[in-house]
Amino acid sequence: GAVVSQHPSWVICKSGTSVKIECRSLDFQATTMFWYRQFPKQSLMLMATSNEGSKATYEQGVEKDKFLINHASLTLSTLTVTSAHPEDSSFYICSATTGRGGIGNSPLHFGNGTRLTVT
Amino acid sequence: GNSVTQMEGPVTLSEEAFLTINCTYTATGYPSLFWYVQYPGEGLQLLLKATKADDKGSNKGFEATYRKETTSFHLEKGSVQVSDSAVYFCALSDNTGGFKTIFGAGTRLFVKA
Repeated sequence: GAVVSQHPSWVICKSGTSVKIECRSLDFQATTMFWYRQFPKQSLMLMATSNEGSKATYEQGVEKDKFLINHASLTLSTLTVTSAHPEDSSFYICSATTGRGGIGNSPLHFGNGTRLTVT
Repeated sequence: GNSVTQMEGPVTLSEEAFLTINCTYTATGYPSLFWYVQYPGEGLQLLLKATKADDKGSNKGFEATYRKETTSFHLEKGSVQVSDSAVYFCALSDNTGGFKTIFGAGTRLFVKA
């Protein structure tokens, strides 16, 4: 149980275009999802917290107009990288928690990530 | 703010060796602590967790004890296998508003046959 599906697994786009990444919780409802960015051989950097039915909460230094997050339902959150540039090339990972035992105590379930390459 | 510090890698061990990966944390409240593992080519998955002081999390022969007095959550395994080669991330979850999970830098483990 607690499967998170992320799509696409990889994408190559041209500079200036926008890319949408989907994150779905397949067998549970997720009121809260998290988007991370992982640089090569580095840790995960939290970009934003996605809340169903309300605006996302962005971490300091993350441009909300560049990384648009929409949590349309209890099982779907999307991250759109707008006007992508080569420096946006990275590995983006979504995660969600079932919230059982309290959201803070409940582990994250991760999608397999999306590798974005902007040419 | 909250933070997690874990030992730098890579760590290279021979099969059946003892493993310790150190992790210390800074938090204002009473966080839950986690170890996640990322096998080559795969996504992160939970390895073990502890939600309060003195709790011991364990899974697949790995153990970690939540030590509030030393703010540590060191990962240990008595006898590693080649299949344990992966990147290990220590993390804490803020139990206050936001419930954000903060990750350490990750420690890459190589186990040689």
